[in-house]
Amino acid sequence: GAGVSQSPSNKVTEKGKDVELRCDPISGHTALYWYRQSLGQGLEFLIYFQGNSAPDKSGLPSDRFSAERTGGSVSTLTIQRTQQEDSAVYLCASSLVGGGAGIQYFGAGTRLSVL
Amino acid sequence: RKEVEQDPGPFNVPEGATVAFNCTYSNSASQSFFWYRQDCRKEPKLLMSVYSSGNEDGRFTAQLNRASQYISLLIRDSKLSDSATYLCVVHQAGTALIFGKGTTLSVSS
Repeated sequence: GAGVSQSPSNKVTEKGKDVELRCDPISGHTALYWYRQSLGQGLEFLIYFQGNSAPDKSGLPSDRFSAERTGGSVSTLTIQRTQQEDSAVYLCASSLVGGGAGIQYFGAGTRLSVL
Repeated sequence: RKEVEQDPGPFNVPEGATVAFNCTYSNSASQSFFWYRQDCRKEPKLLMSVYSSGNEDGRFTAQLNRASQYISLLIRDSKLSDSATYLCVVHQAGTALIFGKGTTLSVSS
């Protein structure tokens, strides 16, 4: 079966542009998470979706960041007016059970470079 | 104080060595504990969950001390393929997983 799929795998953009990153979770997984990992840093939680509940947005670093999850499946992370400090690997994970109790399976990530 | 702290290493060991990694966490309400492994430029993958009674999976042994808020991972008979970054991960109800920055292991022949 397919794992978590993320696209694009690499994205280079200019400062000030908007970008959209896509995550396709494992079929049937109710929980979906976005993290980012800067060079030499640990994973930083961004946002968490669980079923039809309101998402936990507590990790989003600024209002330039937003995410949607349509139909309880595919999720899009949008970064508006990108800044150089947004350069990082953006990782998506899904789990069968929400709340962090379930094993999280990660996608390969999108490596974002803001010039 | 960071929520999950790990010795960043790197740990450079020869094949066959035994190596131990430590991790401390700050929130006593934490309920679940894991070790994830991350290879260079790859995504993290679950290595093992950590239980209060301690648990073993082949050459890997994980221990949890709730009183000290301390987690450990022991790798016996290190293999070249064990070279990676090991992430200590903690969970508390209602939140996402909290990751440490990782400990880097390099096993050489």
